[in-house]
Amino acid sequence: AQSVTQLGSHVSVSEGALVLLRCNYSSSVPPYLFWYVQYPNQGLQLLLKYTTGATLVKGINGFEAEFKKSETSFHLTKPSAHMSDAAEYFCAVSPTGANSKLTFGKGITLSVRP
Amino acid sequence: GAVVSQHPSRVICKSGTSVKIECRSLDFQATTMFWYRQFPKQSLMLMATSNEGSKATYEQGVEKDKFLINHASLTLSTLTVTSAHPEDSSFYICSARNGNTIYFGEGSWLTVV
Repeated sequence: AQSVTQLGSHVSVSEGALVLLRCNYSSSVPPYLFWYVQYPNQGLQLLLKYTTGATLVKGINGFEAEFKKSETSFHLTKPSAHMSDAAEYFCAVSPTGANSKLTFGKGITLSVRP
Repeated sequence: GAVVSQHPSRVICKSGTSVKIECRSLDFQATTMFWYRQFPKQSLMLMATSNEGSKATYEQGVEKDKFLINHASLTLSTLTVTSAHPEDSSFYICSARNGNTIYFGEGSWLTVV
């Protein structure tokens, strides 16, 4: 069984400040890891993913995440927040099988203050 | 990147009627699609896995007779909410796997009045 933990429900940062959204996972096998962003009243957009290879992955909109196996973490960061980054962020994990389904964290709301 | 499209984006129906939501993979073939439900301020709840050419696999607690899923082709899955009631009002999202990535549709708001 797999699970994802996103601590806290809301993070607020100032525009230009570092964004750090935490994600820890539990999996009995090496998983695929994903971060998705959801803007109000919209579907989910893939930010980035880790499957194999380099543990530091870069995504869209200046976001990146680092897979740390020893810490079972996949934290999402962005050096400088922009107002347009305000949204809901979901961390997700799936087994590596072809038709494996995603297990989501509960999500975290990012607010950006002017 | 891969695109998944849902239609309609918003639908209002009367209590007791049925409503169909379509999910299409636009530039890839998807043997498996997933249907989620999302309540306000909450995470996504997986309802069922839609398998092309075979029966869907429903998650525990999801009524298969109420939420009918059909995956008739490699690019189309449909979710039909039968005999809808106000408590079925929600945001429904589909997704499809392309390789090692799962892409999501834009979501469909269902309001039952």
